[in-house]
Amino acid sequence: ETGVTQSPTHLIKTRGQQVTLRCSSQSGHNTVSWYQQALGQGPQFIFQYYREEENGRGNFPPRFSGLQFPNYSSELNVNALELDDSALYLCASGRSGSIYNEQFFGPGTRLTVL
Amino acid sequence: QQQVKQSPQSLIVQKGGISIINCAYENTAFDYFPWYQQFPGKGPALLIAIRPDVSEKKEGRFTISFNKSAKQFSLHIMDSQPGDSATYFCAASIGTSGSRLTFGEGTQLTVNP
Repeated sequence: ETGVTQSPTHLIKTRGQQVTLRCSSQSGHNTVSWYQQALGQGPQFIFQYYREEENGRGNFPPRFSGLQFPNYSSELNVNALELDDSALYLCASGRSGSIYNEQFFGPGTRLTVL
Repeated sequence: QQQVKQSPQSLIVQKGGISIINCAYENTAFDYFPWYQQFPGKGPALLIAIRPDVSEKKEGRFTISFNKSAKQFSLHIMDSQPGDSATYFCAASIGTSGSRLTFGEGTQLTVNP
């Protein structure tokens, strides 16, 4: 059973640019969630995808968008990057219908916006 | 709105000691309370979780104590080891099926040898 993987590991962008982060869910999982973790803080929920549709969103602007593909992999897209977008972006996968709401996280993508 | 408050922010414990981290929540609809461990440069790893129908859950050296009336829950790490040095996050969510997790601010635990 493979775990959650994310790419790239690190990324440096300049303000105003666009970025795409990728995630492969753990085998057997069909939900994927994205979180933003600023330095020294807990992860903040961005949104979740299930059956290729957004299924819940946190307090993030529309320039944060995502996709889930039929193989349950996912992308996080951020447009018009701002300096405050610098953070660790985490992907978590889970299994819909599971009695226990277990979410398993990937290693994250460290995004730096200059 | 910060719905899960965690304390202390940092904790230093001697090897073999007990580490205790506390969390308090506001939303009474929360019904799943996991703890995550995060090492530098890594994603959070699920340690142990509890639902409010039980007051305590133990897995190895890790125990969650849950007080529904006080809306508080805590993580106890028995016989703490230097390898336990990491950041610990409590979290809470509503329902099943991968619902959003609301995290606490984190506790930086250092276990001295």
